[in-house]
Amino acid sequence: DAGVIQSPRHEVTEMGQEVTLRCKPISGHDYLFWYRQTMMRGLELLIYFNNNVPIDDSGMPEDRFSAKMPNASFSTLKIQPSEPRDSAVYFCASSWGGQPQHFGDGTRLSIL
Amino acid sequence: KNQVEQSPQSLIILEGKNCTLQCNYTVSPFSNLRWYKQDTGRGPVSLTIMTFSENTKSNGRYTATLDADTKQSSLHITASQLSDSASYICVVSPGSGGSYIPTFGRGTSLIVHP
Repeated sequence: DAGVIQSPRHEVTEMGQEVTLRCKPISGHDYLFWYRQTMMRGLELLIYFNNNVPIDDSGMPEDRFSAKMPNASFSTLKIQPSEPRDSAVYFCASSWGGQPQHFGDGTRLSIL
Repeated sequence: KNQVEQSPQSLIILEGKNCTLQCNYTVSPFSNLRWYKQDTGRGPVSLTIMTFSENTKSNGRYTATLDADTKQSSLHITASQLSDSASYICVVSPGSGGSYIPTFGRGTSLIVHP
């Protein structure tokens, strides 16, 4: 039974570069969430989708961040241009009806 | 401002001992409270969910309690095992219809020593 799949698991890049994180939700789930986790701030919700439509992106920190969900089985979170303060673990989660949320194992992003 | 405060920040116990983690929240209106377990390098996994009307819910050796009047929850772990070493995160969801903007605690880091 496949869970939420995120790629890549680790990403190291230089500041200014574009970063694209990918997520495949659990089949049949209608909600998809993107989170960021840091030691200082813990888990923060960035944006969530319902039936592929963005519902609330108030957690997206800046215009450098964007997220898309072109279909029910795929979503991306893009950072352009990236900055060192974007370094964090980014989680994708999906659910049926909003809860419970099933998390992927995250992408550990390091911006040098 | 909605807040979730967890204590202690970290905890070290010996294998076989019991422990209790605390969560205080100010989220209002309140819909539900969930405890997650997050192993190192993995995503959080839901342990329990409690709604306004529930006082206690168990999941194996994990028992969560909720006092909606005082806005406090606890997670009790019985007969701890080495595999219980993880971060435990308390998450509170608001009661406004259709909203899924939860408020997360910073977590309690639990280390179980043999």
